[in-house]
Amino acid sequence: DTAVSQTPKYLVTQMGNDKSIKCEQNLGHDTMYWYKQDSKKFLKIMFSYNNKELIINETVPNRFSPKSPDKAHLNLHINSLELGDSAVYFCASSQPGQGGSPLHFGNGTRLTVT
Amino acid sequence: GNSVTQMEGPVTLSEEAFLTINCTYTATGYPSLFWYVQYPGEGLQLLLKATKADDKGSNKGFEATYRKETTSFHLEKGSVQVSDSAVYFCALSDLSTNAGKSTFGDGTTLTVKP
Repeated sequence: DTAVSQTPKYLVTQMGNDKSIKCEQNLGHDTMYWYKQDSKKFLKIMFSYNNKELIINETVPNRFSPKSPDKAHLNLHINSLELGDSAVYFCASSQPGQGGSPLHFGNGTRLTVT
Repeated sequence: GNSVTQMEGPVTLSEEAFLTINCTYTATGYPSLFWYVQYPGEGLQLLLKATKADDKGSNKGFEATYRKETTSFHLEKGSVQVSDSAVYFCALSDLSTNAGKSTFGDGTTLTVKP
């Protein structure tokens, strides 16, 4: 009954590889997000999709490509991984348009690039 | 643009001590304010929220009051427990700007010792 689930939980890979992280939400929310959390716990938004449409695209290298096949799924593909990509990536969802609608986060994917 | 500034950590307290984590914000519209908590190895989860001035959010013994005059949303708890050890994030969401994108503070790590 997990509301926002992402896989895998851990991802260890070498520089130059391509990897994907999957996210699914069963809350019926229209908006989904990807956040990056660095080793100091700072959170930075990467992307936001509303009903499969990209609405927020922060200054993220174009090696990162989000894909939303439907409003319940938002996947993140990363090409040519670099050491600096090592972080915890969080998927989240919300239902904007309602005052005070909070974010619902997944448990994160810890990516380690060696 | 919108911003959130929260008290730098880490914060270390003894069990049953009083907790305050300061949070101030800058916003161009009328934001909703949130506190999220992140336990080790988990994603962020909503702790409490307030959607308009003078509202008080409360949950699990934690409280925060939306103070428009001081643009603050300080988190308080009267008697902390070891299980409260976590990272706490103050955040705002402003529907009038940026598609309701959430803006997060840098997080404050709390450690409660027995």
